[in-house]
Amino acid sequence: KAGVTQTPRYLIKTRGQQVTLSCSPISGHRSVSWYQQTPGQGLQFLFEYFSETQRNKGNFPGRFSGRQFSNSRSEMNVSTLELGDSALYLCASSSRTGNYNEQFFGPGTRLTVL
Amino acid sequence: AQRVTQPEKLLSVFKGAPVELKCNYSYSGSPELFWYVQYSRQRLQLLLRHISRESIKGFTADLNKGETSFHLKKPFAQEEDSAMYYCALSPPSNTGKLIFGQGTTLQVKP
Repeated sequence: KAGVTQTPRYLIKTRGQQVTLSCSPISGHRSVSWYQQTPGQGLQFLFEYFSETQRNKGNFPGRFSGRQFSNSRSEMNVSTLELGDSALYLCASSSRTGNYNEQFFGPGTRLTVL
Repeated sequence: AQRVTQPEKLLSVFKGAPVELKCNYSYSGSPELFWYVQYSRQRLQLLLRHISRESIKGFTADLNKGETSFHLKKPFAQEEDSAMYYCALSPPSNTGKLIFGQGTTLQVKP
């Protein structure tokens, strides 16, 4: 099976702009979770989508949003970018079967805000 | 508060020495505990989880609910074990959420 893919791999934006990141999960996986990774805060959970519904949300401002499509692909959007949004954004997919919660991570999208 | 603490940012050992990467967690309830690893230029991947009680690449981790710890151990470190290790917890009911520690870089010297 192909792994989780994320596009684009690198992005450079300026303050005030908005950005959309894309994540394609492993085939058959219906859950997609998003994380922000920074040197200072580490890996922080943003939100999870399952069957096109947001099921869980981390402690991030409303500028961070997402959605999931019927084919389980997910997008994450950040509006009104701030310098502090510069980070590696990881998505992970999971089959969410039973109580098993192994998440498979993508390579990440490196966002730089200037 | 839900929190995972890895007290060491860097752990440096010689090849063949025992390794223990510490992880303590704070959670009221019975979470799932995991160790994830990230080798150089590779993506984050699951190393092991407490419910399986298995040994992966010689690593084991025992969940101690009394001490709320989930330390990762290996009796003899190998150079290929050099990587970043993250301890993580998942709340019960399979929420798709992982709470990560800050990570520990393991450096195994020849």
